[in-house]
Amino acid sequence: RKEVEQDPGPFNVPEGATVAFNCTYSNSASQSFFWYRQDCRKEPKLLMSVYSSGNEDGRFTAQLNRASQYISLLIRDSKLSDSATYLCVVGQGAQKLVFGQGTRLTINP
Amino acid sequence: GAVVSQHPSRVICKSGTSVKIECRSLDFQATTMFWYRQFPKQSLMLMATSNEGSKATYEQGVEKDKFLINHASLTLSTLTVTSAHPEDSSFYICSATVEYEQYFGPGTRLTVT
Repeated sequence: RKEVEQDPGPFNVPEGATVAFNCTYSNSASQSFFWYRQDCRKEPKLLMSVYSSGNEDGRFTAQLNRASQYISLLIRDSKLSDSATYLCVVGQGAQKLVFGQGTRLTINP
Repeated sequence: GAVVSQHPSRVICKSGTSVKIECRSLDFQATTMFWYRQFPKQSLMLMATSNEGSKATYEQGVEKDKFLINHASLTLSTLTVTSAHPEDSSFYICSATVEYEQYFGPGTRLTVT
């Protein structure tokens, strides 16, 4: 079983739609949680950290459920520029990050 | 935010040769840097943790004699792929941590022919 599991997609949605991604992790001792965005052939860039209380940054909302070991990302009013691969990332102490496979999203005009 | 650079961005080499990839923190000092590898349509996999002034810590399954890591200064870590083979072709990315946030270099695409 992978440490961090994501649906690889691809997700194809029209511009303006709301799209949600989910992720599960297996290590209950995981300490930090993130969503990264990776564009084709580029390095990952931090989109947002994820907290148990949930957090929102503009059109993006992230949620963490520690009991279920489940992380989600919601994108509202999607833009063409949101097309990318979204990586669910779990921190396991000593700065070690474990990456999910990524969910590929394409926003269509 | 913090800036991490990598050089070269792309390299093509022949099977059996060695390739060195540099990772630099441009505006901060990094006692710890990380090296990842990403195969097409797969996730980033941590290869090793590079510690300034000491030996790197390798993840299970990563051959330390094949992937040599040197972290001789607080701003530079190098990864040398020795005796490269076509199966080593991949996207190699380094990162460094600043206040619990990891910043990634732009990556090096290695193709071994």
